[in-house]
Amino acid sequence: AQTVTQSQPEMSVQEAETVTLSCTYDTSENNYYLFWYKQPPSRQMILVIRQEAYKQQNATENRFSVNFQKAAKSFSLKISDSQLGDTAMYFCAFMKPPGGGADGLTFGKGTHLIIQP
Amino acid sequence: DAGVTQSPTHLIKTRGQQVTLRCSPKSGHDTVSWYQQALGQGPQFIFQYYEEEERQRGNFPDRFSGHQFPNYSSELNVNALLLGDSALYLCASSYRDSEETQYFGPGTRLLVL
Repeated sequence: AQTVTQSQPEMSVQEAETVTLSCTYDTSENNYYLFWYKQPPSRQMILVIRQEAYKQQNATENRFSVNFQKAAKSFSLKISDSQLGDTAMYFCAFMKPPGGGADGLTFGKGTHLIIQP
Repeated sequence: DAGVTQSPTHLIKTRGQQVTLRCSPKSGHDTVSWYQQALGQGPQFIFQYYEEEERQRGNFPDRFSGHQFPNYSSELNVNALLLGDSALYLCASSYRDSEETQYFGPGTRLLVL
């Protein structure tokens, strides 16, 4: 079974700063997907960014980028120029390839990110 | 373009009762997954429905069952409710050719007294 670990329960930074959220995972699979989801107080889980394990290039979506280290099984999220609206719970998630006995997304426990004005 | 919708938003039940939660997937999506999110935890996968059949299941007891309708909407049923079933229940939809990318609804908050 896969496990996802987020070692930072809470982080707080000033607006406009850069922040990095950590995530490690454990799997015996060679091909898989990794995700960062954002869950604001409204509870809606929003997909921030995804990474396919067979792609060496790190994914980027505007101010959000990842540092994917496959050998180290590490998948960190960097948020540049942080904004007040980035305040939320951030979840790292893992999924085996569809059709390969995938059993849904496996989530970490989350990191509560607070952006201070 | 309508996103994933869920009903009801909140629900209060007592131990031993049964509950049904509903989910309508995002337009164009044919696969629905259900997750349970306990307070302070990440979501846990319950099961996934595709073509009106349960395709995958997480580590949840048989008290949790589901259904998918021809229009791809889905229901989650929980029988013999326990206090520990109190949680946020999230529905996520995806398209079979890209099922790794799941879009979530706002969830149903269930409180069992």
